[in-house]
Amino acid sequence: DTGVSQDPRHKITKRGQNVTFRCDPISEHNRLYWYRQTLGQGPEFLTYFQNEAQLEKSRLLSDRFSAERPKGSFSTLEIQRTEQGDSAMYLCASSLARGNTDTQYFGPGTRLTVL
Amino acid sequence: QKEVEQNSGPLSVPEGAIASLNCTYSDRGSQSFFWYRQYSGKSPELIMSIYSNGDKEDGRFTAQLNKASQYVSLLIRDSQPSDSATYLCAVRKNTGFQKLVFGTGTRLLVSP
Repeated sequence: DTGVSQDPRHKITKRGQNVTFRCDPISEHNRLYWYRQTLGQGPEFLTYFQNEAQLEKSRLLSDRFSAERPKGSFSTLEIQRTEQGDSAMYLCASSLARGNTDTQYFGPGTRLTVL
Repeated sequence: QKEVEQNSGPLSVPEGAIASLNCTYSDRGSQSFFWYRQYSGKSPELIMSIYSNGDKEDGRFTAQLNKASQYVSLLIRDSQPSDSATYLCAVRKNTGFQKLVFGTGTRLLVSP
């Protein structure tokens, strides 16, 4: 049984560059979430997909951020024109919606450092 | 007022003791509650979920929920040094929203 996977695990980039992260959810899970976590804080919600539809976006998700889940399987999160404030751990989670219960399982995260 | 509040700690307990971690939330309509454990530099790992008032036990862990008081707690019995981590409380508001709102976490230190 494979869990949520994310690639790359670490990314170092220079300010102004674009970066793209990939998330592969647990295979039967229909919901996929992106969160961002900075040091000393809990994860903060960015966006979520049910199948291929992006249903919820945080105000944290500025127009430099875009996420896709084109075939309802893997997802990508792109950050354009990175800023130093984008440095964080980007976490992907997935879940299988069943009635009112929806338990999210996290991947290992992608740690982004913007120089 | 933060939506989900936790004492950042550290909470220090000796090995074998009971560790009690607490969390309060502001939205009375919240429906689902989760505890995640996070080791330094790693991602959150689900420990427990609880949806109804009362206690829910799983091995050495017990989650307690009191919706009237807007309070959820996690008890860890027979604490082990390997339990040393940050424990994150997460809340999902109601069925219309799927995102989790996290507290800042409580750091637990279990000394041998």
